[in-house]
Amino acid sequence: GMPVEQNPPALSLYEGADSGLRCNFSTTMKSVQWFQQNHRGRLITLFYLAQGTKENGRLKSTFNSKERYSTLHIKDAQLEDSGTYFCAPWGSGGSNAKLTFGKGTKLSVKS
Amino acid sequence: EAAVTQSPRNKVAVTGGKVTLSCNQTNNHNNMYWYRQDTGHGLRLIHYSYGAGSTEKGDIPDGYKASRPSQENFSLILELATPSQTSVYFCASGDGLGGREQYFGPGTRLTVL
Repeated sequence: GMPVEQNPPALSLYEGADSGLRCNFSTTMKSVQWFQQNHRGRLITLFYLAQGTKENGRLKSTFNSKERYSTLHIKDAQLEDSGTYFCAPWGSGGSNAKLTFGKGTKLSVKS
Repeated sequence: EAAVTQSPRNKVAVTGGKVTLSCNQTNNHNNMYWYRQDTGHGLRLIHYSYGAGSTEKGDIPDGYKASRPSQENFSLILELATPSQTSVYFCASGDGLGGREQYFGPGTRLTVL
């Protein structure tokens, strides 16, 4: 199967809502980065995690290498959170020693 | 903060022409990467480099060459551009032995007619 699967592919939220995005890996990964791609196409790094959980304002991300997944939680969604969110884990070695991008979750936040 | 710049930001080329995309980083990172992004997809790795003088093939290297003349600069070269290479290209830099954070440039939109 796909080395990186992101769910859901698309998500629509109203302002103020909370939601979570998930990234599953087919193999053990060493670390993960989460990006937001905005309407201009710019990739904005949200988190880099080699383990555990990080928080930044309304965003929180968890990386579990053993269970092969990472999550991104958005709290109190705002209009500016709209965009496409990508997870990109780094593989543990050999031909997997690189960033592999998921296909992304397209988030639309409505007022 | 890490700084990765790309030029040009937009390029229109003709089929069969030569295209060079340039990337510069001021982070003194050893590793640099070229990706392409097609509509509805994440980024895919084309070429990467571990340092000046080194280039390595990524997942989709066919039709592309790369050049790393210095620590700061990494170029992607399309010797004979084709319409299938129409895409958005991202450059990134990173440090360490791997698995470390990568910093991305703003992207170059290439259209091959």
